[in-house]
Amino acid sequence: AQSVTQPDIHITVSEGASLELRCNYSYGATPYLFWYVQSPGQGLQLLLKYFSGDTLVQGIKGFEAEFKRSQSSFNLRKPSVHWSDAAEYFCAVGAVDYKLSFGAGTTVTVRA
Amino acid sequence: SAVISQKPSRDICQRGTSLTIQCQVDSQVTMMFWYRQQPGQSLTLIATANQGSEATYESGFVIDKFPISRPNLTFSTLTVSNMSPEDSSIYLCSVKWGNEKLFFGSGTQLSVL
Repeated sequence: AQSVTQPDIHITVSEGASLELRCNYSYGATPYLFWYVQSPGQGLQLLLKYFSGDTLVQGIKGFEAEFKRSQSSFNLRKPSVHWSDAAEYFCAVGAVDYKLSFGAGTTVTVRA
Repeated sequence: SAVISQKPSRDICQRGTSLTIQCQVDSQVTMMFWYRQQPGQSLTLIATANQGSEATYESGFVIDKFPISRPNLTFSTLTVSNMSPEDSSIYLCSVKWGNEKLFFGSGTQLSVL
């Protein structure tokens, strides 16, 4: 069975500082990996996805993620955080059937 | 990207009643899914909505409680039946669209009293 672990429940970062959110997955084959962001009262917005190819994936809003098969990880990064990045971030793993298993989420707080 | 409209956006319902949630997509999609997000928790897949046939339910979810329809490639409904306070959640539909992207609707916030 596939599963996702997001070890950090809550991260606080200063505006302008870098951000890294951790995601570890468990899946027997090559996974389909996603990062979504959910702002308060909003639905989920897709930041980026990885299926194959280049292990460094660029997404929207200046986010990127790196797939590391040896570490079963798909960490999300942003070089410089803006106050509008305060939200909850979900990592998800799926397969060819597109049925996703989500991590518990990481809440990001941005301080001025 | 696909534009997904969910109705209602929120509702407050009485115990024992049922609510039907609609998901409308602005283009034809091959795959549609329904998820539940319980308060303060992550998302859990309820079922895959299959066009023209019965939905495929995940472990822990049954058709009698969450009947799903998908009459065509742009529309689906999820009914939450015989509701109890434990059904208070956000329900989201999701679609596979374009270049292997999965998009989500804005969700339906359901509160059961």
